[in-house]
Amino acid sequence: GQQLNQSPQSMFIQEGEDVSMNCTSSSIFNTWLWYKQDPGEGPVLLIALYKAGELTSNGRLTAQFGITRKDSFLNISASIPSDVGIYFCAGQRSEGNKLVFGAGTILRVKS
Amino acid sequence: DTAVSQTPKYLVTQMGNDKSIKCEQNLGHDTMYWYKQDSKKFLKIMFSYNNKELIINETVPNRFSPKSPDKAHLNLHINSLELGDSAVYFCASSLGWTQSNYGYTFGSGTRLTVV
Repeated sequence: GQQLNQSPQSMFIQEGEDVSMNCTSSSIFNTWLWYKQDPGEGPVLLIALYKAGELTSNGRLTAQFGITRKDSFLNISASIPSDVGIYFCAGQRSEGNKLVFGAGTILRVKS
Repeated sequence: DTAVSQTPKYLVTQMGNDKSIKCEQNLGHDTMYWYKQDSKKFLKIMFSYNNKELIINETVPNRFSPKSPDKAHLNLHINSLELGDSAVYFCASSLGWTQSNYGYTFGSGTRLTVV
């Protein structure tokens, strides 16, 4: 089946550091999405990407849709304690296909 | 006003019992989903309904039965609960089946513990 490989599995960083995580696939995806899950809550959409090469920002977050359409990355600049949570990538091959989720990156921030 | 609400938030029950989790969305979305998140935090789709019709039914034991009385509601009934059913169950919705690339809106989850 379709799989997304997300890395790293977890990160423990100092407040103020930049963070980078990525997602790769052996299949082409037409849509990449990045979600954040806070403890005890459901995932919340952060950024959606629809075009190969697209670079989109949402505050301190920046995500890119890889040019091969088989990968995406998410960067967080100047991390703060409330960035703590699990970040999921998700991809959709085409309209009408279900979203496939990566296994998540657990982010911990030391203040 | 919560967009996707599921009840209960926590459910502790004994093996062998039957239980239901309810989900409602007030976004006017056509498509709803049930996901299971295991202890490793992996999100696995279980079911999807589009306008009350079942469109995704992943390899899930038939002890799990979804029911969609209308497009704003998708409930999950589980018979004969087993220890391995312990997980967090998330309901989600999207604009439509062919518009799911605009992202899903998730509920806050139901933590099911089977003892």
